[in-house]
Amino acid sequence: QSVLTQPPSASGTPGQRVTISCSGSSSNIGSNTVNWYQQLPGTAPKLLIYSNNQRPSGVPDRFSGSKSGTSASLAISGLQSEEEADYYCAAWDDSLHGWVFGGGTKLTVL
Amino acid sequence: QLQLQESGPGLVKPSETLSLNCTVSGGSISSSSHYWGWIRQPPGKGLEWIGSSHYSGSTYYNPSLKSRVTISVDTSKNRFSLKLSSVTAADTAVYHCARKTVGATTPFDHWGQGTLVTVSS
Repeated sequence: QSVLTQPPSASGTPGQRVTISCSGSSSNIGSNTVNWYQQLPGTAPKLLIYSNNQRPSGVPDRFSGSKSGTSASLAISGLQSEEEADYYCAAWDDSLHGWVFGGGTKLTVL
Repeated sequence: QLQLQESGPGLVKPSETLSLNCTVSGGSISSSSHYWGWIRQPPGKGLEWIGSSHYSGSTYYNPSLKSRVTISVDTSKNRFSLKLSSVTAADTAVYHCARKTVGATTPFDHWGQGTLVTVSS
């Protein structure tokens, strides 16, 4: 059971906009920033969004992040087939004194 | 370009100690600006942070694993290591090493490909 809660799956068609949610508590998302990772099949996780809504260099602006209270969301607009992957949210937890992750959302491009 | 590469035995017997190394290239492990960490992923499951270490010796661990984990940095070889004692089948996972910038909530921004460690007799 992961500390952060994500839907296990999501799907969309090419060109569509999809969102993935991440729910936490006051000790993690509620008081710290959220990061998102993309893990393509058989590869290492890649940082996609940091500090709730910042994109590392090279990440397309089709990816965006937001946070409100104890929840966060990742949005992908103009969905592409190569973005079929697992997506994870992460945050520092002040009570657990450690990093916590969501269980991951498997995104399928139909 | 920074690269991290995990290495170590792919099979460990129950009750023994899992030992892995992460060799860093394209950057210095003695950087005062970075922490070096381990994250694992059981087959078909999500990510679990194990711990992080700074070359200065500052280290912090996942409380649920703290009694069994040691992470250390070897500046002479530009690598850091993970030791996890008294392993069980529940420790079977792909183990990733990663780097993060100093700061409480800065993310892990560079990851290794990961290495599968199976705990079995």
